[in-house]
Formats: sequence, C-alpha cells, structure tokens
Amino acid sequence: QSALTQPPSVSGSPGHSVTISCTGTSSDVGGYNRVSWYKQSPGAAPKLIIYEVTYRPSGVPDRFSGSKSGNTASLTFSGLQAEDEADYYCSSYSSSSTYVLFGGGTKLTVL
Amino acid sequence: QVQLVESGGGVVQPGGSLRLSCAAYGFTFSNYGMHWVRQAPGKGLDWVAVISFDGSKEYYADSVKGRFSISRDNSKNTLYLQMGGLKPEDTAVYYCAKDSSDLQVVPSWWFGPWGQGTLVTVSS
Repeated sequence: QSALTQPPSVSGSPGHSVTISCTGTSSDVGGYNRVSWYKQSPGAAPKLIIYEVTYRPSGVPDRFSGSKSGNTASLTFSGLQAEDEADYYCSSYSSSSTYVLFGGGTKLTVL
Repeated sequence: QVQLVESGGGVVQPGGSLRLSCAAYGFTFSNYGMHWVRQAPGKGLDWVAVISFDGSKEYYADSVKGRFSISRDNSKNTLYLQMGGLKPEDTAVYYCAKDSSDLQVVPSWWFGPWGQGTLVTVSS
C-alpha cells in the first residue's frame, strides 16, 4: 500500500486529454506545495516533469500541467501523444518522519 | 549537461554491507543537495535519503534509518550510500538524483535529473 494514492492505469486517445490524480493527506499533499511528478519509460530512469505542484522544468512540453486541490494533486495531459505512454509517479514532502512519499504509479496507455 | 553515474551494486548476503557511489558531471556538485531513491523490481519508487550541499544535514526514510548512511565528497564530485544490515527487502535499483535547491541546507524535495541506477540484490 503506497502512501499516496494513484489510479493503477489510465488511457486516452491521441489528441485527447487525460488526468492522473494523486491523493494524500493534510500532512503531505494538502499541507505543502512540495508536490512533483515523474515520467518513467520502460527500462529507463525516472524524469522530473512537474515540480512545486505546477512548474515544468525546461524542455518539458506545455502539454503537461499540474494542479492541486485540497489533498489531491493532478497531472493533466492536453493533447495526448504516443510518446506519452509510460508510468507516472507523484511525490510529496511529508511532515512524517519519512519525509518523502511516492504514489504507487499510474500506467498511461495511449490507445 | 548534467550526468549522474551510479556504481557499486551487486549481490550481497542478508546482514551484509555495500557502498554505492554516484559520480556527478556537468554541474557544480558542491552547490546542490543529492538524493538516493530506490525501486524494487517491478515496483514503484521509494525515497531513501538526502544530503545537503555541504554535507551538514542528512535525512533518512524510516525503513533505512540506522542502517544506511549518506555522504559526499565535494572534492571528488561524488555521492555515496553506505548500506549495512541489508535485508532481502532492500533489493532494488538504486538511483541518485540531484535536488534543485541551490546552496540551501533544506532540500526542495523533488528530484532531477536522475542517474541510470545500480542494482543491489540481497540474497543468500
């Protein structure tokens, strides 16, 4: 059982929009803006795609966007592309003694 | 460009020790905090530890506290993870990753870029 809750899988057609949710508590997602998202393609290392809830590192397409409402953060893909197919993980700072929590990961399938 | 190269993984018996290294290139290593994050085979990501840019502050996940130690040598642009009391559940690919906080003792708590990882297998 992962500390942050993500759906195991989502899917969408090319050009369509899809959102992945990440639910925590007021001790992590809801209490801090230290939420980040990572893309992991098969056999590769994770890559940072969103940090501090809404910010994109340079080079990350603006089709990716992040948001937060209460204890739930979201990653939205606007205009899905085939290369977006991968596993996506959310992460948050936590005031618990373990400091960082990850979600269990969501597999995005582009139909 | 930033490049992180992990090494030191291998097979170790339960209760044994291992030291991982992460060589950093393409940025001013001594200005940034550094993390270790692991991923068990077929599983999700699991944060392990972080060290501040100057080595003055360390934070650990509960699961490794007292068994693992993170350190750095800024003169060698290298990060380390000393692992002891290894358990089968420590079996994972171990990644090092750069924190984005510049000359801050408190980390930003997000990670990127990441290295390619090194596999640690704990088995008898």
